[in-house]
Amino acid sequence: EAEVAQSPRYKITEKSQAVAFWCDPISGHATLYWYRQILGQGPELLVQFQDESVVDDSQLPKDRFSAERLKGVDSTLKIQPAELGDSAMYLCASSLLSGTYEQFFGPGTRLTVL
Amino acid sequence: GDSVTQMEGPVTLSEEAFLTINCTYTATGYPSLFWYVQYPGEGLQLLLKATKADDKGSNKGFEATYRKETTSFHLEKGSVQVSDSAVYFCALSEGGSEKLVFGKGTKLTVNP
Repeated sequence: EAEVAQSPRYKITEKSQAVAFWCDPISGHATLYWYRQILGQGPELLVQFQDESVVDDSQLPKDRFSAERLKGVDSTLKIQPAELGDSAMYLCASSLLSGTYEQFFGPGTRLTVL
Repeated sequence: GDSVTQMEGPVTLSEEAFLTINCTYTATGYPSLFWYVQYPGEGLQLLLKATKADDKGSNKGFEATYRKETTSFHLEKGSVQVSDSAVYFCALSEGGSEKLVFGKGTKLTVNP
């Protein structure tokens, strides 16, 4: 069964360092999402891609976060510099077509900033 | 803005007990409603959904009915199993948008 892949699964870093997370969506899925899930909270959308274009990045802290999906397939989310408050689970999801609403989630990357 | 409120957890039940997890929403239009489940160490999985008022979503013995008059989408299961232990998230997607807005999640533990 096709799955969304994410790496690394766990990342520990010190504040002010740079970190990057990678996501490989299900093959053929045009829409890709990055969510942040703080412990004890529900996921919050950071950025949404349709193919290689950003559709929604209104909640992305652009002073330190960046996201790209250069060839419209896999994606990278970067934080530079990391802050203590960035400790969270970062989830990637993909969906086949715009408007189908069913999003398939990866296992997430657990980030701890010391 | 749109929001989802679900009952605080954790919820602890014995096997074969009846489960209800309350979920209410606030939205300007007519959203689609979802329940996602997150098993330990795994990503979120779609459990069920409903796209219009009075629709009932169902899957794996779980059910939820879209109630527009009470802006609710409560999750129910008649007889829970130990394997149902997980965190359950209620979510909405506003019409025309794919953005999911999640509740805070409810952790369910089922004891044998």
